[in-house]
Amino acid sequence: QVQLQESGPGRVKPSETLSLTCTFSGDSIKTYYWSWVRQPPGKRLEWIGYVSYSGTTNYNPAFQSRVSISIDTSRNQFSLKLTSATAADTAVYYCARQMGVLLDSWSQGTLVTVSS
Amino acid sequence: DIQMTQSPSSLSASVGDRVTITCRASQDINYFLAWFQQKPGKAPQSLIYAASTLHSGVPSKFSGSGSGTEFTLTISSLQPEDFATYYCQQYKTYPLTFGGGTKVDIK
Repeated sequence: QVQLQESGPGRVKPSETLSLTCTFSGDSIKTYYWSWVRQPPGKRLEWIGYVSYSGTTNYNPAFQSRVSISIDTSRNQFSLKLTSATAADTAVYYCARQMGVLLDSWSQGTLVTVSS
Repeated sequence: DIQMTQSPSSLSASVGDRVTITCRASQDINYFLAWFQQKPGKAPQSLIYAASTLHSGVPSKFSGSGSGTEFTLTISSLQPEDFATYYCQQYKTYPLTFGGGTKVDIK
């Protein structure tokens, strides 16, 4: 049973970079894609993108110019960076395992607030 | 992007009720649809994929149907543990997109 846990600051200042890391255990890193999804308050879930074990990425065009997802296979971790953060990036951020195109396991989520 | 629309956005029901939630896609997604359940403060849990296939361990009171642009999630007999928010999600094309959610609460 895979377990995923996010870590990172709960508050980011406007214009700075939002950075989160997800640590996973109990699974083979090569078999899956590793994704980020977020949910702004009162809004629907938004898929941000994924990274494969080889470092291949696929991003939602809505975030294309600001997002970077990377992976550290030696630590079973993958990371999200979202530059030029604004209040609109305030959201609960989830990391998730993606089997093919299916999101089949999720973390509990962490609230990141963009505020000065 | 493919837009996903769920209805209703919320509903009140009693234990033992049969509940149906509808999800519509803005274009044909064949059967590439998943359903998730989320309880407050918890991770979303996968219920159904391929429109009607239950994930391992999901009880048979949950069922899904539909193809193309219209889909339904049915809970045959609502139990206290089923009060939650339910989301549909298409995986026909990237970017993956979600419905707005249906909150099921106690009448």
